[in-house]
Amino acid sequence: SQQGEEDPQALSIQEGENATMNCSYKTSINNLQWYRQNSGRGLVHLILIRSNEREKHSGRLRVTLDTSKKSSSLLITASRAADTASYFCATDYNQGGKLIFGQGTELSVKP
Amino acid sequence: DAGITQSPRHKVTETGTPVTLRCHQTENHRYMYWYRQDPGHGLRLIHYSYGVKDTDKGEVSDGYSVSRSKTEDFLLTLESATSSQTSVYFCAISDTVYEQYFGPGTRLTVT
Repeated sequence: SQQGEEDPQALSIQEGENATMNCSYKTSINNLQWYRQNSGRGLVHLILIRSNEREKHSGRLRVTLDTSKKSSSLLITASRAADTASYFCATDYNQGGKLIFGQGTELSVKP
Repeated sequence: DAGITQSPRHKVTETGTPVTLRCHQTENHRYMYWYRQDPGHGLRLIHYSYGVKDTDKGEVSDGYSVSRSKTEDFLLTLESATSSQTSVYFCAISDTVYEQYFGPGTRLTVT
């Protein structure tokens, strides 16, 4: 399987703290995406970073990509209780939109 | 979840029976995908479609077939359901090969 790996599997923090999640993958990619899944719901797209980009920001989200190490990180700054969810990275290895998802990081933000 | 629905949302069926899950979109997006989500495996691609009557296999296609006779509908069929196909099934759509938009999911239990 070419599935990526995420760590940590679970993360518990207090409101206001920053949360960092990491994703590693195995093959060269076209882009890497991050998705959020609230309990019992479908996934929601958060941000996409292309293989020729190193960093990208969207609101309180910051994503980095290191293609030499085949890894990415998602940073959520000043976390809120509403950020409690599972976060998944997904790699597009240039196969016509087919994505390979990691197993996810379960984030719990305590008020 | 706007613009994409899945039916049924919950189904319990017996081993050996055929099951069809439906994904319906109102966004006129070209690409449609079927995933399954299982604990410890994240999301895995079953089949996808890149146009009407154009489909291809994903990572875990054995035991599943799909059909897309019109842009808005993508059907997933389990020809003879097995207990290993108990899972949550998500449909996703995309108008490019980039970010995907997910439906609410179908929880299938095979007894």
